[in-house]
Amino acid sequence: DAGVIQSPRHEVTEMGQEVTLRCKPISGHNSLFWYRQTMMRGLELLIYFNNNVPIDDSGMPEDRFSAKMPNASFSTLKIQPSEPRDSAVYFCASTIGGAGNQPQHFGDGTRLSIL
Amino acid sequence: AQSVSQHNHHVILSEAASLELGCNYSYGGTVNLFWYVQYPGQHLQLLLKYFSGDPLVKGIKGFEAEFIKSKFSFNLRKPSVQWSDTAEYFCAVNAGSGGYQKVTFGTGTKLQVIP
Repeated sequence: DAGVIQSPRHEVTEMGQEVTLRCKPISGHNSLFWYRQTMMRGLELLIYFNNNVPIDDSGMPEDRFSAKMPNASFSTLKIQPSEPRDSAVYFCASTIGGAGNQPQHFGDGTRLSIL
Repeated sequence: AQSVSQHNHHVILSEAASLELGCNYSYGGTVNLFWYVQYPGQHLQLLLKYFSGDPLVKGIKGFEAEFIKSKFSFNLRKPSVQWSDTAEYFCAVNAGSGGYQKVTFGTGTKLQVIP
């Protein structure tokens, strides 16, 4: 079975540019999460969707970050404009049911470098 | 708000040594507990989980964890580590009320196993 699919795997761009990260959750999963991982801050939850609806976006750092889930099989995380401090690995994860009592399945991540 | 503490940030062991990684959480109610592993360059994968029942949980690759409610702990153990266990290990806790139960990850423990 296909796992969580993220694209691109790597992205290098200059500051000020718009960055769009993509995620396809596992079919049948109705919860989707975006995380950011850095050496300094570890793994941070950015936003959580349930049935395509954003439930908790308290982790989104600022207005430059936005996330959408137009349907059950696709989500995007957009950064506009990007800044060097946004450099990190961004993971998408999905699971069945509510956020808490099922293990999350993670994608391979997008390694983002903002120059 | 719930929180998770992993006190060991970096652990170095020789092969065949025993492993115990600490995890403490702060929440007084019912919790679901997880350990995830992230091998170098890969995504997080579930090692084991505790929802209810026997507080000693066995996971993949010979790992186990014990839930001690009175100590708010869920320490990860392995009797004899292998070089292939070199990875970062994350404890996670789910607790909450209502329809949304957030999962909070610890900051991770990097394990280096020396051959």
